[in-house]
Amino acid sequence: GAVVSQHPSWVICKSGTSVKIECRSLDFQATTMFWYRQFPKQSLMLMATSNEGSKATYEQGVEKDKFLINHASLTLSTLTVTSAHPEDSSFYICSASGTSGGSEQYFGPGTRLTVT
Amino acid sequence: QKEVEQDPGPLSVPEGAIVSLNCTYSNSAFQYFMWYRQYSRKGPELLMYTYSSGNKEDGRFTAQVDKSSKYISLFIRDSQPSDSATYLCAMRGGGTSYGKLTFGQGTILTVHP
Repeated sequence: GAVVSQHPSWVICKSGTSVKIECRSLDFQATTMFWYRQFPKQSLMLMATSNEGSKATYEQGVEKDKFLINHASLTLSTLTVTSAHPEDSSFYICSASGTSGGSEQYFGPGTRLTVT
Repeated sequence: QKEVEQDPGPLSVPEGAIVSLNCTYSNSAFQYFMWYRQYSRKGPELLMYTYSSGNKEDGRFTAQVDKSSKYISLFIRDSQPSDSATYLCAMRGGGTSYGKLTFGQGTILTVHP
């Protein structure tokens, strides 16, 4: 149980375009979903927290207009990187929790974004 | 000072060895403690989840929490080459933290045959 999927696993896009990444909880209802960013050989950095049906809460320094998060259902959250730049190239990972307190988070396999 | 300190290693051990991974933290509000395993280019996998001080065992893994010393450990017995990965400690507070995890830097472990 507690499986989280992400799509796509790897995406290459050109500067200035937008990219959407999907995060799905396959066998449980995810009350809360989290989006992280990870640079090579570094730890995970939380970008935002989203509760189903509510606006996402962004961490300090994360541009909400650039990283659009939608959590429209209890099994799906999306992250859209708008007007992507090469510095947005990174590994994006989502996690999901079945409780509003996020007691246990289960992570997706990650999406590698390369912006050329 | 970082809220969570974890020695990045790398740590290299022979197969069958007992591995000890550690994290220290400074925020006394942290109440929930987790260990994740992350293989290269994959998402983290939850290994252990603990709340109270003391030991929790699951197969070859034992998680230890000492809240008085703000110190947590993960022990791996009879280590296998398949255990080679990055191990991340993570922790969070209760109440209104809404699940925000604070991660350690991660320890790179290699178990060689």
